[in-house]
Amino acid sequence: KQEVTQIPAALSVPEGENLVLNCSFTDSAIYNLQWFRQDPGKGLTSLLLIQSSQREQTSGRLNASLDKSSGRSTLYIAASQPGDSATYLCAVKGPGGSYIPTFGRGTSLIVHP
Amino acid sequence: EPEVTQTPSHQVTQMGQEVILRCVPISNHLYFYWYRQILGQKVEFLVSFYNNEISEKSEIFDDQFSVERPDGSNFTLKIRSTKLEDSAMYFCASRYRETNTEAFFGQGTRLTVV
Repeated sequence: KQEVTQIPAALSVPEGENLVLNCSFTDSAIYNLQWFRQDPGKGLTSLLLIQSSQREQTSGRLNASLDKSSGRSTLYIAASQPGDSATYLCAVKGPGGSYIPTFGRGTSLIVHP
Repeated sequence: EPEVTQTPSHQVTQMGQEVILRCVPISNHLYFYWYRQILGQKVEFLVSFYNNEISEKSEIFDDQFSVERPDGSNFTLKIRSTKLEDSAMYFCASRYRETNTEAFFGQGTRLTVV
């Protein structure tokens, strides 16, 4: 059974810092990995989708990398802003015949001015 | 931009009552999902639906739960006899293809069972 772990569970940083959120998964036979943002009491907003054949994806100040063989992905946020404050979730799709994404518990990020 | 919409945003119901949560997936999407998130916990998969039938379900999705696509646009989750532990945020998601495409999530329905 796929297990997804996100470290750290919580992070508080001053505005302007570059930061890295980590996601690890136990079974490397994945189809893709997706990073989401969740604001308190709200739904999930898709940030980046990395296919299993890709090593990274970029969108604006966000860069996500994938190392399938070691079961790890990182989300890099450049020049953090207070508006980045949210919970960041990673979801891994697979393994084997299962197409259902498995979620981590998330990293709760606070960026203070 | 197309989006997944869910109604209602918040539903309060008495224990033992039936509830129906509604979702309108993105119009050209073919795969539909329900997830739930109990307060402070992980997002958990409930069920996936394709071609008018359930394709996968988790152990959470027992006989009290059912899904339907009654009219080609709505996708509903019914809980027959709600329990206190069904209180959670319920998310609907859809995607165009099973693999290699993003899943788009709705804003969720907060279900409170009292």
